[in-house]
Amino acid sequence: AQKVTQAQTEISVVEKEDVTLDCVYETRDTTYYLFWYKQPPSGELVFLIRRNSFDEQNEISGRYSWNFQKSTSSFNFTITASQVVDSAVYFCALSAAYGGSQGNLIFGKGTKLSVKP
Amino acid sequence: NAGVTQTPKFRVLKTGQSMTLLCAQDMNHEYMYWYRQDPGMGLRLIHYSVGEGTTAKGEVPDGYNVSRLKKQNFLLGLESAAPSQTSVYFCASSYAGAFGEKLFFGSGTQLSVL
Repeated sequence: AQKVTQAQTEISVVEKEDVTLDCVYETRDTTYYLFWYKQPPSGELVFLIRRNSFDEQNEISGRYSWNFQKSTSSFNFTITASQVVDSAVYFCALSAAYGGSQGNLIFGKGTKLSVKP
Repeated sequence: NAGVTQTPKFRVLKTGQSMTLLCAQDMNHEYMYWYRQDPGMGLRLIHYSVGEGTTAKGEVPDGYNVSRLKKQNFLLGLESAAPSQTSVYFCASSYAGAFGEKLFFGSGTQLSVL
């Protein structure tokens, strides 16, 4: 079975705080991709990052960074010095080649981040 | 640069009524998808299409039908709406299959079934 768990339903921080959004996944496939999408209040999902299962290098993009650890099946997302514009629902998703999903994305339930001024 | 466009943005139906949601993409993508988003459930795949003239069931297909008569359009139909179909519906597309591909999403359709 393939599954994505985002244990944090809601997180509230004050602007400039650092915040980490957790994502734990399950798959038996050795080849898979992990994604993060952002859904701002406007509603449209926006792609943030993709990582394949063979690349465990951490990624940094401005204030955003991602930590992929196969040993713990986690793909966590950290926002440094959060801003009000970071307020959104963040989804972690898994795309695996087999296991019945035909490569389709399996989404976690999302973490709602509120950044207060 | 439109990307993925969904119409309508909002709709209210009475139980038993039918309607069609339209999704159009201008990126020449092969794959198109319909998801529904419910509070606390994340996004769940309803149906998808791997190319013009093809459709396939996703995780929650019951009560919905789809058609992909043209490559750029993917229609989602509700033949007899039920309150359980109250949800936000998202259309998405990708250049190739979902495996490893970035999805482009529309802005969503908020549907209420009374």
